[in-house]
Amino acid sequence: DAGITQSPRHKVTETGTPVTLRCHQTENHRYMYWYRQDPGHGLRLIHYSYGVKDTDKGEVSDGYSVSRSKTEDFLLTLESATSSQTSVYFCAISVANGELFFGEGSRLTVL
Amino acid sequence: QQPVQSPQAVILREGEDAVINCSSSKALYSVHWYRQKHGEAPVFLMILLKGGEQKGHEKISASFNEKKQQSSLYLTASQLSYSGTYFCGTGNHNTDKLIFGTGTRLQVFP
Repeated sequence: DAGITQSPRHKVTETGTPVTLRCHQTENHRYMYWYRQDPGHGLRLIHYSYGVKDTDKGEVSDGYSVSRSKTEDFLLTLESATSSQTSVYFCAISVANGELFFGEGSRLTVL
Repeated sequence: QQPVQSPQAVILREGEDAVINCSSSKALYSVHWYRQKHGEAPVFLMILLKGGEQKGHEKISASFNEKKQQSSLYLTASQLSYSGTYFCGTGNHNTDKLIFGTGTRLQVFP
């Protein structure tokens, strides 16, 4: 089974502070994704990566940046968090046959 | 643009059937279906590819109409365990992005 760990799982922060969420996989899957989930909006793609240092924007990328310096780690950074970025963030990896395997989620609250 | 799912919510009794639809304004290469239970991560159900056949998973199956850019998920003889929110995700030829719909909440009661 694919192993994927998100950290932190819960975070409360204040408006204007930087926040970094980490997604770590234990296998060498090439594609990794960051989604946010909000009521009424479903899952919205923020950024994704198709290899080390290869990333691209999703639907809602404004206010977010990502980095992937190693195959196993995909970092999502909010340079200056805003209340509108309060959400549950899911990392996912593309495993066999294109299936997405999701992490357990990181709940972020921006006060 | 996100694909459009309908209906937004479904309430069923055990043993009843349901159909969830997913429609896109763009040409599709693939359609994914996922189920998410409250407080948990989405879980993969199946993927349908352009030119592929209808897929099945226990009593859950799906179809993909490429010309209409639509997919439907069929749940037959529903069980309590089918409760959750169902998402379709759509992929196109020229991108590795998977864009999800807003979800359909399914509740199955005894």
